[in-house]
Amino acid sequence: EIVLTQSPGTLSLSPGERATLSCRASQSVSSSYLAWYQQKPGQAPRLLIYGASSRATGIPDRLSGSGSGTDFTLTISRLEPEDFAVYYCQQYGSSPLLTFGGGTKVEIK
Amino acid sequence: EVQLVESGGGLVQPGRSLRLSCAASGFTFDDYAMHWVRQAPGKGLEWVSGISWNSGSIGYADSVKGRFTISRDNAKNSLYLQMNSLRAEDTALYYCAKDRGYFPNGYFDYWGQGTLVTVSS
Repeated sequence: EIVLTQSPGTLSLSPGERATLSCRASQSVSSSYLAWYQQKPGQAPRLLIYGASSRATGIPDRLSGSGSGTDFTLTISRLEPEDFAVYYCQQYGSSPLLTFGGGTKVEIK
Repeated sequence: EVQLVESGGGLVQPGRSLRLSCAASGFTFDDYAMHWVRQAPGKGLEWVSGISWNSGSIGYADSVKGRFTISRDNAKNSLYLQMNSLRAEDTALYYCAKDRGYFPNGYFDYWGQGTLVTVSS
């Protein structure tokens, strides 16, 4: 089973600042099969990024994903008020076991 | 518009059973794999189980293997999760989620709003 470790646990930033979220895998994620989700309180998760760097439909270009192998990053170039939420990474290269990271909360400083 | 609506959650005693359902609409249900993902109160996301478009490929998390059974009825556009021998640690919000492809080895492009399962005496 691939274990995903997200850091930091909490990121305290101000609107307009840049956010950099990390997701590290315990072993290589094949073909960059890594996705990112955003979850706001009381809501279901929403797909942001798949294939490590492809944006899902309707996701603004201020959000971007990068990385390969065991190290992946979600970057929000300029935080908007609606970006304050919890973010999860998920690997799907090692099936049938699909795993999530523990999450990073982006909060208003 | 893709819609996934879960039902069947509730309060159940340890050791008892519960069956969750997910009604799908807005897409060709039998063209996609489907999953159950859960979230314990205040915790992160945990993949529970996935099933391929034709039920030919099924996977379970180790934490539920042997106790939970996933199934689908393509004629009814519905996904199910039969949960037996429930434990307190199964308490969570259970989400139904659509896979991006035929087999249960992808990412989740649509999610329902979840149904809450509470296991307690």
